[in-house]
Amino acid sequence: GAGVSQSPSNKVTEKGKDVELRCDPISGHTALYWYRQSLGQGLEFLIYFQGNSAPDKSGLPSDRFSAERTGGSVSTLTIQRTQQEDSAVYLCASSPRAGQGDSPLHFGNGTRLTVT
Amino acid sequence: AQKITQTQPGMFVQEKEAVTLDCTYDTSDPSYGLFWYKQPSSGEMIFLIYQGSYDQQNATEGRYSLNFQKARKSANLVISASQLGDSAMYFCAMREALSSGGSYIPTFGRGTSLIVHP
Repeated sequence: GAGVSQSPSNKVTEKGKDVELRCDPISGHTALYWYRQSLGQGLEFLIYFQGNSAPDKSGLPSDRFSAERTGGSVSTLTIQRTQQEDSAVYLCASSPRAGQGDSPLHFGNGTRLTVT
Repeated sequence: AQKITQTQPGMFVQEKEAVTLDCTYDTSDPSYGLFWYKQPSSGEMIFLIYQGSYDQQNATEGRYSLNFQKARKSANLVISASQLGDSAMYFCAMREALSSGGSYIPTFGRGTSLIVHP
């Protein structure tokens, strides 16, 4: 498809387990963002990738969160030792290039993570 | 301090009427962009409209227009002729140039829930 693809769409996990969330951006988009949306809240920035530059990890809430982007394309967000407060919808977005300030973000449908 | 403030948690409008969703922002950056997104109950975020800080004209896209008042730092979304399908959450976002260190990471408001009544 032409849009941003995220998998899985839903994930239920037990507290303390690790989870991996996947994002496949639009082909050719060099900028990739991860956001978290808790129930009734706005979007909380987590991490940003731009091409081959070092990622901006300033939004990651703890060292249990990490992300990588392989080959400038697919990204994986990993949450280790999940906690109940990690329950949220994790949204991935891409844009053609970050230096183009008027480029809107194109979002995936998100992964709904529930930690029991 | 909040970068983006959306003071209306919920709004109601009659079908076919116009509605304004408020957004104020805080930046000292001379170059920035403002975006509005729609999030229906299905969850996807849909880009609606963009306004650049140097744009002289208010942005318009079909039934959407942006009432940009730079001196007041407001960028309100106006939806004309509301339709039932407009019922959704609406998010205002800002992208700064210099303050973000060139990374252009958008900051989002908390959103406004719009319900369109038949």
